[in-house]
Amino acid sequence: GQQVMQIPQYQHVQEGEDFTTYCNSSTTLSNIQWYKQRPGGHPVFLIQLVKSGEVKKQKRLTFQFGEAKKNSSLHITATQTTDVGTYFCAGLKNYGGSQGNLIFGKGTKLSVKP
Amino acid sequence: NAGVTQTPKFQVLKTGQSMTLQCAQDMNHNSMYWYRQDPGMGLRLIYYSASEGTTDKGEVPNGYNVSRLNKREFSLRLESAAPSQTSVYFCASSEFYPMIGDRDQPQHFGDGTRLSIL
Repeated sequence: GQQVMQIPQYQHVQEGEDFTTYCNSSTTLSNIQWYKQRPGGHPVFLIQLVKSGEVKKQKRLTFQFGEAKKNSSLHITATQTTDVGTYFCAGLKNYGGSQGNLIFGKGTKLSVKP
Repeated sequence: NAGVTQTPKFQVLKTGQSMTLQCAQDMNHNSMYWYRQDPGMGLRLIYYSASEGTTDKGEVPNGYNVSRLNKREFSLRLESAAPSQTSVYFCASSEFYPMIGDRDQPQHFGDGTRLSIL
């Protein structure tokens, strides 16, 4: 079945360093969503990418969607302790407005040392 | 607005007991979902309801049943709990616009139910 692979599983950085997590799908994705989950919390939607090659920025966060719509990345510049948490990508399973089948990656857990 | 509300927040069961996890959303969303989250496994879809009156199986439906009671409420039932069902359960909801085509909408999650089965 379709899978969404996410690497690395864990990342430990010093505050101020950059961080990147990568998401790869075995099949072409209709769109991709990114979520952040703080420790003990619930996933919170960050952004959605739809177009091939799309790049979106939210302050220090940069999201990219690959040209083939099979991979995506999230890059955080100059990490802060508030960035701690697990970052998930999620791809839509089917095309054409198929509902309810977001496939989540296993997440990248980011820890930031002050 | 409360968003997505889940009850209970914590529960301990014995093997073989049954229970129902409740979920309600006040955002007038059509679609609702139940996920389980286990360490290192990410979020796995158990069941979803694209709209009121419909339910469908997700990736890991065995051992669970669901009821879409009305547009607001979507419950998850464990008929005979097993230790393998120890997990954190999240309910989520989203809007869905079929005319947009391949664009889905963000999912809004509840705070989760931490369920332990002994």
